[in-house]
Amino acid sequence: EDQVTQSPEALRLQEGESSSLNCSYTVSGLRGLFWYRQDPGKGPEFLFTLYSAGEEKEKERLKATLTKKESFLHITAPKPEDSATYLCAVQANRGGYQKVTFGTGTKLQVIP
Amino acid sequence: KAGVTQTPRYLIKTRGQQVTLSCSPISGHRSVSWYQQTPGQGLQFLFEYFSETQRNKGNFPGRFSGRQFSNSRSEMNVSTLELGDSALYLCASSATPGTSGKMGVETQYFGPGTRLLVL
Repeated sequence: EDQVTQSPEALRLQEGESSSLNCSYTVSGLRGLFWYRQDPGKGPEFLFTLYSAGEEKEKERLKATLTKKESFLHITAPKPEDSATYLCAVQANRGGYQKVTFGTGTKLQVIP
Repeated sequence: KAGVTQTPRYLIKTRGQQVTLSCSPISGHRSVSWYQQTPGQGLQFLFEYFSETQRNKGNFPGRFSGRQFSNSRSEMNVSTLELGDSALYLCASSATPGTSGKMGVETQYFGPGTRLLVL
């Protein structure tokens, strides 16, 4: 069974204090790994898709990396507006359809 | 391009009632997936529709059902509501696999959700 585990569950950072969020996965036939940001009461907002180990993608203060077992979301010099829950999901091909499994997320709070 | 839209945004129902939620995908997207999100369980997959056919289904009881129309709009229905059905229901759309994404992977884009409260 596909599994996605995110750590830590919650993270509190001072503004400007860089850190990383972890997403470890167990899935056979990984086709893609996604990162989303979700604000309270809203739908997840797409951030990145990573396809293969060694791939990296950046967007403003965020950088996502992928290995064969895990992905990291690095946040450089975060600002209070980066406060949100960050979700990781994996996609695998299962008999003709794409199965997506989500982690439970890391709740990030950035304090001014 | 307009994003995924969901209606209504908020609903209050009582136990035993039924509810229908609607989702309009991004123009050109033909796949629609539904998720239930609760604080304790996170995002749980309900089902996926593609070209009016249910292609995949999660582990939810038969009270949860859905359908997709020829214009790719989708509805989900929950009958005989229970207190535990209170949740944020999210719809996500994606393009046809292989048409634009790399390695046959199509990213899912989410709507704002419908907040359902069952009293």
